Amino acid sequence: DGGITQSPKYLFRKEGQNVTLSCEQNLNHDAMYWYRQDPGQGLRLIYYSQIVNDFQKGDIAEGYSVSREKKESFPLTVTSAQKNPTAFYLCASSTPGTGGGDEQYFGPGTRLTVT
Amino acid sequence: GENVEQHPSTLSVQEGDSAVIKCTYSDSASNYFPWYKQELGKRPQLIIDIRSNVGEKKDQRIAVTLNKTAKHFSLHITETQPEDSAVYFCAASRRYSTLTFGKGTMLLVSP
Repeated sequence: DGGITQSPKYLFRKEGQNVTLSCEQNLNHDAMYWYRQDPGQGLRLIYYSQIVNDFQKGDIAEGYSVSREKKESFPLTVTSAQKNPTAFYLCASSTPGTGGGDEQYFGPGTRLTVT
Repeated sequence: GENVEQHPSTLSVQEGDSAVIKCTYSDSASNYFPWYKQELGKRPQLIIDIRSNVGEKKDQRIAVTLNKTAKHFSLHITETQPEDSAVYFCAASRRYSTLTFGKGTMLLVSP
């Protein structure tokens, strides 16, 4: 998991501003993911991308956007349309495991606070 | 889609005791079941996983069991230590699909 980086670690923004969270991996993984973590809610999938130039909405995509122009990078933009953006955001990447199922590895996370 | 339920939400044990966390899943096609440990403010880390072609897997003090018929799987930690204190998440997925996570169990190990 040391091959996945997220920046910054803490981010503060005013309400109404868009903000972009960075996620980079050097593990040569094809698939990348963005999760949101709130207390008591577990990990909820925002967007995922299984290949460059392609991505799909997860369970809570409203108010977020992503791009996947390079294999190594999967930035997440939190737009002003996201009603409650304050949360801990985790990026992950995965490699196919033998016998089914992709082993996901997480970045260190970005804690976003919007006031 | 898949639904994963995890119990208990909190678990307190004395150092040296065993701890068991249980998860159920709804999609009978799910075939991959990982467990993650997340310390406060840190990233989730994969600690053990099991695939549907086996019923049990062990790695030192941790083990995972899978009952495909009943659609549940469990994490067992023996001889718990204070450094085992963390939030543990189970997850499930079918081949080529995304993981669905449980809501987590906060494990507190008292010295």
